[in-house]
Amino acid sequence: AQSVAQPEDQVNVAEGNPLTVKCTYSVSGNPYLFWYVQYPNRGLQFLLKYITGDNLVKGSYGFEAEFNKSQTSFHLKKPSALVSDSALYFCAVRATGNTGGFKTIFGAGTRLFVKA
Amino acid sequence: NAGVTQTPKFRVLKTGQSMTLLCAQDMNHEYMYWYRQDPGMGLRLIHYSVGEGTTAKGEVPDGYNVSRLKKQNFLLGLESAAPSQTSVYFCASRLSGGDNQPQHFGDGTRLSIL
Repeated sequence: AQSVAQPEDQVNVAEGNPLTVKCTYSVSGNPYLFWYVQYPNRGLQFLLKYITGDNLVKGSYGFEAEFNKSQTSFHLKKPSALVSDSALYFCAVRATGNTGGFKTIFGAGTRLFVKA
Repeated sequence: NAGVTQTPKFRVLKTGQSMTLLCAQDMNHEYMYWYRQDPGMGLRLIHYSVGEGTTAKGEVPDGYNVSRLKKQNFLLGLESAAPSQTSVYFCASRLSGGDNQPQHFGDGTRLSIL
């Protein structure tokens, strides 16, 4: 069965410092991995995805994520945090294949708080 | 280009009442989804559709029904609302060409059942 774990309910970081939001996953076969961001009273917005190839994926708003197959992790990172990055972040996994590809499994979310 | 539009944005129901949530997308996406979001639980899939006229159950389908009569619309129905269905409901859609396509979300419907 597919699953996604985001071990931290909240991450606090000072503006200008690097940030990391952690995600680990469990899926049969090769996964597609996604990060989404949710601002208050809004839907989820796509940030970036890993399909195959380079383990470091770059996305919107200066975010990037590192895929580590041996550790089954897909951590979200940003070199220098902004106050405006404060939001709820979701990691998601989708299995490849005929039936698994229809469904995406989301983590519980990690709230990022960036202090000025 | 409006993307994914959900109506209504807010609703308060009494236990036992029924209602329909509407999701409309203008991106010609084949796949559409209904999720509910509850604190600390992420998004849980209620029902989904891989094309016009087709629907399938997700992770938490009990108490909900759906219909996809037109490609651009995906309706979620609550036949007899219960307090446990108090939640924020999100609709999403995506292209069918490849499992690596991201989902596009509406801004949600906040539903309270008294």
